[in-house]
Amino acid sequence: NAGVTQTPKFRVLKTGQSMTLLCAQDMNHEYMYWYRQDPGMGLRLIHYSVGEGTTAKGEVPDGYNVSRLKKQNFLLGLESAAPSQTSVYFCASRTPRNEQYFGPGTRLTVT
Amino acid sequence: AQTVTQSQPEMSVQEAETVTLSCTYDTSESDYYLFWYKQPPSRQMILVIRQEAYKQQNATENRFSVNFQKAAKSFSLKISDSQLGDAAMYFCAYRSYDTSGTYKYIFGTGTRLKVLA
Repeated sequence: NAGVTQTPKFRVLKTGQSMTLLCAQDMNHEYMYWYRQDPGMGLRLIHYSVGEGTTAKGEVPDGYNVSRLKKQNFLLGLESAAPSQTSVYFCASRTPRNEQYFGPGTRLTVT
Repeated sequence: AQTVTQSQPEMSVQEAETVTLSCTYDTSESDYYLFWYKQPPSRQMILVIRQEAYKQQNATENRFSVNFQKAAKSFSLKISDSQLGDAAMYFCAYRSYDTSGTYKYIFGTGTRLKVLA
């Protein structure tokens, strides 16, 4: 049981480039989340999904898109990266008891 | 909107001693969940303990316990017999229920705990 995995672990982008972050969970959870973590701040919710084929906006969705084509995968896309998107990105899935399990994070730097 | 406040950016504790981390929240909901998460230097977020608001009994997980004061909207974490491995950032989190019928989570800004040998 791998839990929640994230790919890649690190990435450097130039302004304007695009990329996709992949989150995978093998716990058969319906709910999945994407957060960003910036210095001095708590985690902020970007987008979330309540099941396969569904997505919804969180607190800071601008500049990001997501897709949940398969239950176990939740993709986060940046179409045109900006320096303000330099952050650590965490994916999570949750149990029916509302306990979230997090991936190890992806450190993204946009220059 | 719900908010979560952790007023202690950093705390220190001697190994084997007890430390309490504070968390307050604001909500108009009557039924909700509260959590403490630990984030060690590895960055992996780990669930430490959870509390259902409808339960009066404080949650306990081994050396970790909470003091949940619903009326005061306070949710503190007590770590007993502190160990070097407890050194980490600790985040308090609240589960909110939005108007679309979906649960979302709101995190505090964290408290960095240092454990002194």
